Amino acid sequence: GEDVEQSLFLSVREGDSSVINCTYTDSSSTYLYWYKQEPGAGLQLLTYIFSNMDMKQDQRLTVLLNKKDKHLSLRIADTQTGDSAIYFCAVASGSARQLTFGSGTQLTVLP
Amino acid sequence: NAGVTQTPKFRILKIGQSMTLQCAQDMNHNYMYWYRQDPGMGLKLIYYSVGAGITDKGEVPNGYNVSRSTTEDFPLRLELAAPSQTSVYFCASSTQGNREGYEQYFGPGTRLTVT
Repeated sequence: GEDVEQSLFLSVREGDSSVINCTYTDSSSTYLYWYKQEPGAGLQLLTYIFSNMDMKQDQRLTVLLNKKDKHLSLRIADTQTGDSAIYFCAVASGSARQLTFGSGTQLTVLP
Repeated sequence: NAGVTQTPKFRILKIGQSMTLQCAQDMNHNYMYWYRQDPGMGLKLIYYSVGAGITDKGEVPNGYNVSRSTTEDFPLRLELAAPSQTSVYFCASSTQGNREGYEQYFGPGTRLTVT
């Protein structure tokens, strides 16, 4: 089955850019997603990219997809303390576009 | 629209007890999913459904059952609860259309402890 890997922790200073990385194994994956989870809360969809795209920009968020290396990244520009959360990479595959999630990256933004 | 709702928010079960986690959506979505999230981990798919009367197993179905008698509701049944089922359970739904990138909308979760 699909395997999705992420680094566990990232710390940045307020105002800097954050880059969260993700690798996956299934080259037939169609959509790739970034979700944000704050403590004790559910998942909030931040952005997604279709597998035939290389890049997608949405305000402060930039998603880069390297299909050859099966590598996905999320860049957050001008990171704020409110961006502190766990960020999950998720990959859709299968007939019902079931999601396989990474373990999440804990982003800590230091003042 | 309420979106995806889940009840209860919290529950403590004793080993061997049974319970049903409720999930409902009011967006007329065909696809519905149950995931569990263990501490410090990502979500794992338990069961999913592509429409009323159709369900299928995900990655971690053992110890659970589901049914889908209506488009709106997708309950998850735990029989003979075990400590390994202590987790946060999330229900999600999505549309078949591709205008929204097949976004899955998540409920707020049910935090279950089995002791």
